[in-house]
Amino acid sequence: QQQVKQSPQSLIVQKGGISIINCAYENTAFDYFPWYQQFPGKGPALLIAIRPDVSEKKEGRFTISFNKSAKQFSLHIMDSQPGDSATYFCAPTSNFGNEKLTFGTGTRLTIIP
Amino acid sequence: NAGVTQTPKFQVLKTGQSMTLQCAQDMNHEYMSWYRQDPGMGLRLIHYSVGAGITDQGEVPNGYNVSRSTTEDFPLRLLSAAPSQTSVYFCASSSVGNTIYFGEGSWLTVV
Repeated sequence: QQQVKQSPQSLIVQKGGISIINCAYENTAFDYFPWYQQFPGKGPALLIAIRPDVSEKKEGRFTISFNKSAKQFSLHIMDSQPGDSATYFCAPTSNFGNEKLTFGTGTRLTIIP
Repeated sequence: NAGVTQTPKFQVLKTGQSMTLQCAQDMNHEYMSWYRQDPGMGLRLIHYSVGAGITDQGEVPNGYNVSRSTTEDFPLRLLSAAPSQTSVYFCASSSVGNTIYFGEGSWLTVV
């Protein structure tokens, strides 16, 4: 059973544009919705996360939008920069279960000048 | 502060050989886990631990063993390496309700 579906698989955005990555999940017990950023040769690192009691969270150029009824959440990167080029993963979990995450398949984002 | 340290960084094994991937954290985290990353499949959980002496299986545990004798260390053992275990392995640690930290990965090739 695939619990987490992430799209698109790859994304190319011009510098200054908006990058949007989506994550759909099935498990209604999930209550913590993070996005991880991974640069080549490195481990993933937490970028931004949201709890289901709010519909949006913004940190600098990064925004999470959460739609509980649709069981979807998305990552928006405003004013995308070449340094944002990386692979992004969603990894929703329940009860803040840090010990085990279910990752989406990843989105390779490339920001072109 | 070293964070999560994985060794070795790169390893080539022959089919049937055994080896241990080491993982150590210096943040006194209760939770530790091992993931493997394969192209197009994201990261998949192999084994995890919620504290010293306690381990459990994740999504893809076959062919791997773990132990957690101390809070700091969580080694992953490949008992008899197979080409299907060629992958990048990540160790992670965290405390309850806090950020998860990943190591930099161990690239394993089984020939």
